[in-house]
Amino acid sequence: KAGVTQTPRYLIKTRGQQVTLSCSPISGHRSVSWYQQTPGQGLQFLFEYFSETQRNKGNFPGRFSGRQFSNSRSEMNVSTLELGDSALYLCASSFREPGAAFAYEQYFGPGTRLTVT
Amino acid sequence: GENVEQHPSTLSVQEGDSAVIKCTYSDSASNYFPWYKQELGKGPQLIIDIRSNVGEKKDQRIAVTLNKTAKHFSLHITETQPEDSAVYFCAVHPGADGLTFGKGTHLIIQP
Repeated sequence: KAGVTQTPRYLIKTRGQQVTLSCSPISGHRSVSWYQQTPGQGLQFLFEYFSETQRNKGNFPGRFSGRQFSNSRSEMNVSTLELGDSALYLCASSFREPGAAFAYEQYFGPGTRLTVT
Repeated sequence: GENVEQHPSTLSVQEGDSAVIKCTYSDSASNYFPWYKQELGKGPQLIIDIRSNVGEKKDQRIAVTLNKTAKHFSLHITETQPEDSAVYFCAVHPGADGLTFGKGTHLIIQP
């Protein structure tokens, strides 16, 4: 079974621009979560989608948004890019519904390395 | 919100020796505790996890122990090998938001 795929793998953008990242979950997984990884802040939760609905959201500004399609593929968008948005953006998929009575495994993709200049 | 502390930040061990990484958390409602291994240029890989109703879980050379009363859990790697060199992250699922991660431990296996 193929793993989580993310495109593109690398991106260079200029301050003020916007960017869209894509994630395809493992076949059969309906939950997709996004995380930001930086050397200073580590791994931080952005948001989670299930059945095309945002179920949970981390503590990030409104410039960060996402969506999920009917085939479970997800995109995240960052508008008005800032230098501090440079990071590795990771997508993780899971087959369990958020809020289920028991916890769930999340499997990560390789990430998209975003550099803002 | 949940707070996870991970120690040590760097751990160097001789090949064949054991390695132990420890994490503490703050939210007593947390019920799921995974460990991830991240190699350079790759995303985190789930290596083992434990749920709140279990005290210990083992998978070959890797084991995790959980003490819910003290709110800490540990990763144990025995008979370390060069391919174990990587950054290891503990994480906690507080039940509502996404995973909260520790800051990571850079494990170095000395030949």
